[in-house]
Amino acid sequence: KQEVTQIPAALSVPEGENLVLNCSFTDSAIYNLQWFRQDPGKGLTSLLLIQSSQREQTSGRLNASLDKSSGRSTLYIAASQPGDSATYLCAVPAGYQKVTFGTGTKLQVIP
Amino acid sequence: DGGITQSPKYLFRKEGQNVTLSCEQNLNHDAMYWYRQDPGQGLRLIYYSQIVNDFQKGDIAEGYSVSREKKESFPLTVTSAQKNPTAFYLCASSIPRPGGLNEQFFGPGTRLTVL
Repeated sequence: KQEVTQIPAALSVPEGENLVLNCSFTDSAIYNLQWFRQDPGKGLTSLLLIQSSQREQTSGRLNASLDKSSGRSTLYIAASQPGDSATYLCAVPAGYQKVTFGTGTKLQVIP
Repeated sequence: DGGITQSPKYLFRKEGQNVTLSCEQNLNHDAMYWYRQDPGQGLRLIYYSQIVNDFQKGDIAEGYSVSREKKESFPLTVTSAQKNPTAFYLCASSIPRPGGLNEQFFGPGTRLTVL
């Protein structure tokens, strides 16, 4: 059974800092992974979908990488802003048409 | 604009009552999902449907029921058999991507509170 871990559970950084969020998974036989953002009381917003053939995927100040051999994905946020404060979740395939989510990292960017 | 709508945004239920949460999508996606989210926990899959008139139980289906009579709609009923229904409920739909991941898109959620 696929298990997904996100460490740390919470992170607080000053505005302008570059930061890395981690996502680890136990079954490395995956070919892609999705990163989401969730604001309090809201649904999930898709940020990036990364395929192992790509190794990295970029959208604005966000960059996601996927290393299947180590069972790890990272989400890099450059020049963090208070508007980046949210919970970030990763999701990996877990059977036909299903995914497993990590428990998320709650990010607070302090002005 | 294409997307997923959920209603109501907030729902209050008395013990012993059944309630139905609405989920509608106009993305033309075949697969739809219901998740439950509790504080400090990840999303847990309740039910999912790969096609109209077909659905499968997820990890925590007890006390819930669904139907899929139309491609656009996937309502979730929380029955009185669900002992701890207070939670945030999220509906999603997905499209398949190469390599096995179904790229998921989410609605805004419904917060259910049992009084």
